[in-house]
Amino acid sequence: GESVGLHLPTLSVQEGDNSIINCAYSNSASDYFIWYKQESGKGPQFIIDIRSNMDKRQGQRVTVLLNKTVKHLSLQIAATQPGDSAVYFCAEINQGGSEKLVFGKGTKLTVNP
Amino acid sequence: EAGVVQSPRYKIIEKKQPVAFWCNPISGHNTLYWYLQNLGQGPELLIRYENEEAVDDSQLPKDRFSAERLKGVDSTLKIQPAELGDSAVYLCASSLDSLTGELFFGEGSRLTVL
Repeated sequence: GESVGLHLPTLSVQEGDNSIINCAYSNSASDYFIWYKQESGKGPQFIIDIRSNMDKRQGQRVTVLLNKTVKHLSLQIAATQPGDSAVYFCAEINQGGSEKLVFGKGTKLTVNP
Repeated sequence: EAGVVQSPRYKIIEKKQPVAFWCNPISGHNTLYWYLQNLGQGPELLIRYENEEAVDDSQLPKDRFSAERLKGVDSTLKIQPAELGDSAVYLCASSLDSLTGELFFGEGSRLTVL
């Protein structure tokens, strides 16, 4: 069935370092992937997305990498700041199928000053 | 521009009581979603609306949960009767359409069932 999982439940980095958050997905039919950030007490917030015809996409301080061969997704955050502390979820959609956005379990990123 | 607005933010009820959550999506967003989020977990879709039509309610426990989106704008999610296991955060989100993965979430309604 459709499922998206995260390798690490927690990640701790020093302020200014780069962060890499990983995600493995199991549905090979998924063709659209999204990263969300959720701060405590708030709803998830869209960060960046990537479609399956791409393997890399860059935003402001963030880069998403997609490796369809091993069904792996990663989010790289450059020069991590305390404001980046949150839970990060990857999510997938099979736009040619159910069109349902499926979230993984999340990785909690803590940025130490 | 206002984001997705949900109310109430917090609700504490005893089991077997009814509860209702309200959501006002971003103006112009045709697609509206209700998600359930348990502690430490990712959101799980309960129902998705395209305008006023529920196009995916396969994960909605229809014996006790109901939802409506009259006039294709605001939406309500109701639970009757509530059970202990319904304690969670209920998130509403909206998007321009169902083809985008960019959903805009409200802050959620945290339900505690005693």
